[in-house]
Amino acid sequence: GAGVSQSPRYKVAKRGQDVALRCDPISGHVSLFWYQQALGQGPEFLTYFQNEAQLDKSGLPSDRFFAERPEGSVSTLKIQRTQQEDSAVYLCASRPDRFRGSEQFFGPGTRLTVL
Amino acid sequence: KQEVTQIPAALSVPEGENLVLNCSFTDSAIYNLQWFRQDPGKGLTSLLLIQSSQREQTSGRLNASLDKSSGRSTLYIAASQPGDSATYLCAVWGAQKLVFGQGTRLTINP
Repeated sequence: GAGVSQSPRYKVAKRGQDVALRCDPISGHVSLFWYQQALGQGPEFLTYFQNEAQLDKSGLPSDRFFAERPEGSVSTLKIQRTQQEDSAVYLCASRPDRFRGSEQFFGPGTRLTVL
Repeated sequence: KQEVTQIPAALSVPEGENLVLNCSFTDSAIYNLQWFRQDPGKGLTSLLLIQSSQREQTSGRLNASLDKSSGRSTLYIAASQPGDSATYLCAVWGAQKLVFGQGTRLTINP
């Protein structure tokens, strides 16, 4: 079956541009997560959705970052007025239920480079 | 605040050796611990998931243990192969989110 997919896989943006990163979770998965992974670091939590509700956005680094999941399936992470420090791999993960003990499945990530 | 540390940051060993990767966490109130593999330029592949009530999990040549009280986990890789070369990440699910270590970059030399 299909796993978590993300698009685009690579994105180059000029500083100040807005970008939108898409995540297609595994069909039927209730929970969806976004992470940011800087070069040489482990992923860091950005935000969490349960169906269409954004339950935790404590990891979003600034108000330039915005995430949505309007119909409880596909999610978009938007970054406004990109800065060089936004360069990173953005990972999306989904989980079949809302239980914290269950496994998360990760997509391949979107590598964002801000020039 | 939960903090996860992985030691060593990098490891290079000859093919065929058994090896141990270490992970420690500061808050023992976790729901589970997950070990991932990440190849260069790729996403994360889940290797093993240990629930908080479990002590270990095994999959093929991999064995992961969990000692919640001491805040430690180890990933044991038996009979290492060049294809095992990757970055290995440990992550714990605590009160709100999955918290990752910085990873151990493993190189297996033929």
